[in-house]
Amino acid sequence: DTAVSQTPKYLVTQMGNDKSIKCEQNLGHDTMYWYKQDSKKFLKIMFSYNNKELIINETVPNRFSPKSPDKAHLNLHINSLELGDSAVYFCASSLFGGRNNEQFFGPGTRLTVL
Amino acid sequence: AQSVTQLDSQVPVFEEAPVELRCNYSSSVSVYLFWYVQYPNQGLQLLLKYLSGSTLVKGINGFEAEFNKSQTSFHLRKPSVHISDTAEYFCAVSGLSNAGGTSYGKLTFGQGTILTVHP
Repeated sequence: DTAVSQTPKYLVTQMGNDKSIKCEQNLGHDTMYWYKQDSKKFLKIMFSYNNKELIINETVPNRFSPKSPDKAHLNLHINSLELGDSAVYFCASSLFGGRNNEQFFGPGTRLTVL
Repeated sequence: AQSVTQLDSQVPVFEEAPVELRCNYSSSVSVYLFWYVQYPNQGLQLLLKYLSGSTLVKGINGFEAEFNKSQTSFHLRKPSVHISDTAEYFCAVSGLSNAGGTSYGKLTFGQGTILTVHP
């Protein structure tokens, strides 16, 4: 069984569209994250949820809205997609969200905006 | 605030040679340090982590890293690499983010080092 799964794996869409990426973890963790990896492979955290509550919200455009329906799921909805949103988006999870807790990453979703 | 600098963007080596991937960090709090590996078209996998205790940390696949507080470094080493070690390696430091009076961990990653092992 996959520990952290994301759907879809690839997403190609036009500028201006709205799209969602889904993430699920079956590790029993209570903290989940979204990261963006740009074309230069630089990884940066976007959001983090602990027990469905938002705990980290980096400087991300309002067009990005995370939603956590329960501890095992963290979805990312993006409105009015722009060319600069093209990237690989990684979901991750950890236990307790503490500094010393290993984060487990999903396989990534490659988003291409045309 | 914390930051991570990986000093080499690419490291080519021959199979069975030793390798060192360099990482320097800065942090205003005590540090927890991690090395992750990303194989092509895959997610990140933890190689090893330093939380406290012995400064020499051993991880999976024969990798090890040494925490050096005076030099603010956490270099990754392997005495003999295999073709299968070809991947991108990320150093990360865990800092703190506060929400509702509670502190939570936040990973800050370096720029990554591409290790290419040649036959």
